[in-house]
Amino acid sequence: SQQGEEDPQALSIQEGENATMNCSYKTSINNLQWYRQNSGRGLVHLILIRSNEREKHSGRLRVTLDTSKKSSSLLITASRAADTASYFCATDRRGAQKLVFGQGTRLTINP
Amino acid sequence: EAQVTQNPRYLITVTGKKLTVTCSQNMNHEYMSWYRQDPGLGLRQIYYSMNVEVTDKGDVPEGYKVSRKEKRNFPLILESPSPNQTSLYFCASSSGLVSNNEQFFGPGTRLTVL
Repeated sequence: SQQGEEDPQALSIQEGENATMNCSYKTSINNLQWYRQNSGRGLVHLILIRSNEREKHSGRLRVTLDTSKKSSSLLITASRAADTASYFCATDRRGAQKLVFGQGTRLTINP
Repeated sequence: EAQVTQNPRYLITVTGKKLTVTCSQNMNHEYMSWYRQDPGLGLRQIYYSMNVEVTDKGDVPEGYKVSRKEKRNFPLILESPSPNQTSLYFCASSSGLVSNNEQFFGPGTRLTVL
């Protein structure tokens, strides 16, 4: 079964607004990671949140994790045109050394 | 500069012609991995390696081979490419356990098999 499904699949907002993306997963995890991908390029790591953490901040990014609901959210505040990209959550599987990526949320920031 | 490099970046080939996509990292990472990215399917792991001479299958290993003879290199081999292997391929590396550490991705290799 697929781990890490992002919602929505696409999101378009005005520059300066906040963007929220959600990720749901199916099995127990150790950690959850968020990555950004600019069109056709390699993924860039944004933030890692551990299963015993509920919230984490990095600059304009805020990530929450609710292990009881098996979900996470990524909030980007005061969005900029440069935030236009696809965002992926990645979850590990306990006992396995691999990350499983969702299909991503395509975020468009309109000037 | 810490980085993961892949070559070639673009490749058009024909069915059945063996090819190798190279991947190299300069961060002394133990863990390396190959993914393919297809529209609507996201990233799927092909193979991974936890250290030299230690490799294991990911979720979609059929039609691919890998080797890890040196820590820095992790080539992906397509012995007999087929059109369904047309995709965007990414190599990634991380130090230690992948679940606890960020992965560094290469720039990608866009492969077309005719």
